[in-house]
Amino acid sequence: QVQLQESGPGLLKPSETLSLTCTVSDGSISSYYWSWMRQPPGKGLEWIGHIYYTGSTDYNSSLKSRVTISLDTSKTQFSLKLFSVTAADTAVYYCARWVYNSGSYYNWFDPWGQGTLVTVSS
Amino acid sequence: DIQMTQSPSSLSASVGDRVTITCRASQSISRSLIWYQQKPGKAPKVLIHAASSVQSGAPSRFSGSGSGTDFTLTISSLQPEDFAIFYCQQSYSTPLTFGQGTKVEIK
Repeated sequence: QVQLQESGPGLLKPSETLSLTCTVSDGSISSYYWSWMRQPPGKGLEWIGHIYYTGSTDYNSSLKSRVTISLDTSKTQFSLKLFSVTAADTAVYYCARWVYNSGSYYNWFDPWGQGTLVTVSS
Repeated sequence: DIQMTQSPSSLSASVGDRVTITCRASQSISRSLIWYQQKPGKAPKVLIHAASSVQSGAPSRFSGSGSGTDFTLTISSLQPEDFAIFYCQQSYSTPLTFGQGTKVEIK
């Protein structure tokens, strides 16, 4: 079954760029949307954005000016870049597959990666 | 953006109790509602999609109902392993948005 695993630096300084990669194993990256979410410590979940296997993207407007999500189908990986980070970007970052059935209600995030904590501190 | 509001924010119940969590959308989302369970230090897991369809592998004591703006998640008989935070999420339109979560504690 498909498994996702996030990787990337866990500590950044303010103004740096957050770069995370999600590796998709035991499954194809085709025909799905691939998403990033984040969860500040002790708080709720925020959708950052997603990329379709064709390369089209959609981002949360609250982060759109600072976010890029890209796809490497040859490596079955997708990546997140968040520019000019501040302490407010400290969170556990999750990657997940968005199971989307167009024109229906049958949509959900599954599976999720285990999450990776990124701390922004000077 | 569609705002999702859950109530209560937390609750404490005994093993065997029937528990109900509500989720309200700021506009109609038809049946585009998903429920997740998140245990400490873990990623969320989907329980219910399309407002009332139980995800394969989820225990049958979990059920969902509602449409439009008002939704409920019911645990028919609370088990010790149900200690967790439950989130609703709308899939009607992007940005995809989540409720703030409901923490379920076992008495």
